[in-house]
Amino acid sequence: DAGVTQSPTHLIKTRGQQVTLRCSPKSGHDTVSWYQQALGQGPQFIFQYYEEEERQRGNFPDRFSGHQFPNYSSELNVNALLLGDSALYLCASSKQGYQETQYFGPGTRLLVL
Amino acid sequence: QKEVEQNSGPLSVPEGAIASLNCTYSDRGSQSFFWYRQYSGKSPELIMSIYSNGDKEDGRFTAQLNKASQYVSLLIRDSQPSDSATYLCAVERGSQGNLIFGKGTKLSVKP
Repeated sequence: DAGVTQSPTHLIKTRGQQVTLRCSPKSGHDTVSWYQQALGQGPQFIFQYYEEEERQRGNFPDRFSGHQFPNYSSELNVNALLLGDSALYLCASSKQGYQETQYFGPGTRLLVL
Repeated sequence: QKEVEQNSGPLSVPEGAIASLNCTYSDRGSQSFFWYRQYSGKSPELIMSIYSNGDKEDGRFTAQLNKASQYVSLLIRDSQPSDSATYLCAVERGSQGNLIFGKGTKLSVKP
């Protein structure tokens, strides 16, 4: 049973560029959440997708956008990259419902120069 | 007041001892609570979930929840050097699946 997968594992970009990160949820899961984890901090919620729609959004600017596909996989897009966007980007999948646990993928480490 | 607070540590315990990790949260409406372990450079890995007041045990791990005091803890018995990691407390905001994390407590288990 494959767990949550993410690609790429590492990425280096320059300021002003755009980036797309990808996530495939655990088998049987239909909900994908994205988190940003800066060094020395806990993960911060970016947004959550279910039924191909953004259901919730954290305190992140519109430069952060996403998409969910019919097979439940998801993309996170970040436009006009800033140095401060350098972080570990985590995807977590879960089943929609009460008290459902989120399982994290390995993450994508983004460095913005 | 931060939504989820943890002592950042480091917490250092000798091998075989009990490690006690604590977390407080501000939203009284929170219903779901989680402990994740994160090794350096890796992603968070679920250790325990707890939803009701009291204790929940799983092997060497025991989670404790007191909703009246807005307090969650994790006890690790017979600590091993392999338990050395950062432990993240997460609280679900309402019932919407949005996890709020503390900054994590770094645990070091000395052989």
